[in-house]
Amino acid sequence: QQPVQSPQAVILREGEDAVINCSSSKALYSVHWYRQKHGEAPVFLMILLKGGEQKGHEKISASFNEKKQQSSLYLTASQLSYSGTYFCGTEGSTSGTYKYIFGTGTRLKVLA
Amino acid sequence: NAGVTQTPKFRILKIGQSMTLQCTQDMNHNYMYWYRQDPGMGLKLIYYSVGAGITDKGEVPNGYNVSRSTTEDFPLRLELAAPSQTSVYFCASSSGTGGQQPQHFGDGTRLSIL
Repeated sequence: QQPVQSPQAVILREGEDAVINCSSSKALYSVHWYRQKHGEAPVFLMILLKGGEQKGHEKISASFNEKKQQSSLYLTASQLSYSGTYFCGTEGSTSGTYKYIFGTGTRLKVLA
Repeated sequence: NAGVTQTPKFRILKIGQSMTLQCTQDMNHNYMYWYRQDPGMGLKLIYYSVGAGITDKGEVPNGYNVSRSTTEDFPLRLELAAPSQTSVYFCASSSGTGGQQPQHFGDGTRLSIL
């Protein structure tokens, strides 16, 4: 039930682009994206809401396909500061129990 | 801007000991969360609260307890610490449900149980 992210890891050169995917087996009503640097707390990047509303980062974009239960994060012209682990997150309910679930994570490293 | 503050930052416990991880936020957020993150893994929800006096279980609540007597504070209690509870614990808060508003995280508490 945990959203699956792909790829698991990616290495880029500065200036290259990357796409990180998040796929869920359950219906998604919203998707969040967070970045976590080593030894630090996750930092919010973006929310994508059902219906297309998007709130978040200026230099990073994302898409949300409700029918396919997928979201993708697009990092263009990557910078060294983009290195870290990216998590998608979503909320849901199982047997009446609220859950907020983070995805499996994607480790991204940007090289000079 | 303090945001979400967690104390302590590091702690080593012996098996069977108990402790309370403190979390306080100054953003007047109703929603608060506790997560644990094992090395190299993602975050798992332990407990959450939608307001003072209201708490509920998340995905991995066994071995933990919480209380929420004020909007600002959401302490996490470990009773009878076990090695499996060695982890980094993050507290977070949001102004709306976790799916509608961003979550703001504290810096974490690194807990080792030996």
